[in-house]
Amino acid sequence: DGGITQSPKYLFRKEGQNVTLSCEQNLNHDAMYWYRQDPGQGLRLIYYSQIVNDFQKGDIAEGYSVSREKKESFPLTVTSAQKNPTAFYLCASSIVRHEQFFGPGTRLTVL
Amino acid sequence: QKEVEQDPGPLSVPEGAIVSLNCTYSNSAFQYFMWYRQYSRKGPELLMYTYSSGNKEDGRFTAQVDKSSKYISLFIRDSQPSDSATYLCATLLDTGRRALTFGSGTRLQVQP
Repeated sequence: DGGITQSPKYLFRKEGQNVTLSCEQNLNHDAMYWYRQDPGQGLRLIYYSQIVNDFQKGDIAEGYSVSREKKESFPLTVTSAQKNPTAFYLCASSIVRHEQFFGPGTRLTVL
Repeated sequence: QKEVEQDPGPLSVPEGAIVSLNCTYSNSAFQYFMWYRQYSRKGPELLMYTYSSGNKEDGRFTAQVDKSSKYISLFIRDSQPSDSATYLCATLLDTGRRALTFGSGTRLQVQP
């Protein structure tokens, strides 16, 4: 059963903590993306990766970091430098740019 | 000005109605136009995409792009309560930047 999985579904972070969000896909897609969604707003790109060991900053990369050591995996770390991290985080993957498929999302809340 | 504008709604219609959802965009270089459906607390699901101008039909859904007026539409025929969701439009350049540019989404409620 092919798809994109994200974990955890809900995540709580204390001030000053780094947290890592997991994204795994078994679709054999080369490209993977991280978006952030805030209430009443569209999705905004944080980082994307076109191939293993390569990634590019998106529009709102400050306070976030990523790695792409395996084709199937693209974890996102939300660092303490991200001042307003409470949001819904969505991972996507694609073969072609215009067909991006999304995972179920992780809801991050700062306590 | 946002690159893609979308009325947030909510848009409430009776079951069986024809629904029209719309977006406007500012960058004439956009060539791909996508519609995503997002149920509450879920990831967006790609419904369909259109390249350049024209219409595209898939079952009860029709996407329409008018590049001269920078206007994109999604029509839903015979709307069902299960169509109740937020609909997001997105655009993409033909080359270069890989990121989708999203509208803020329109919340649709189909009343049984």
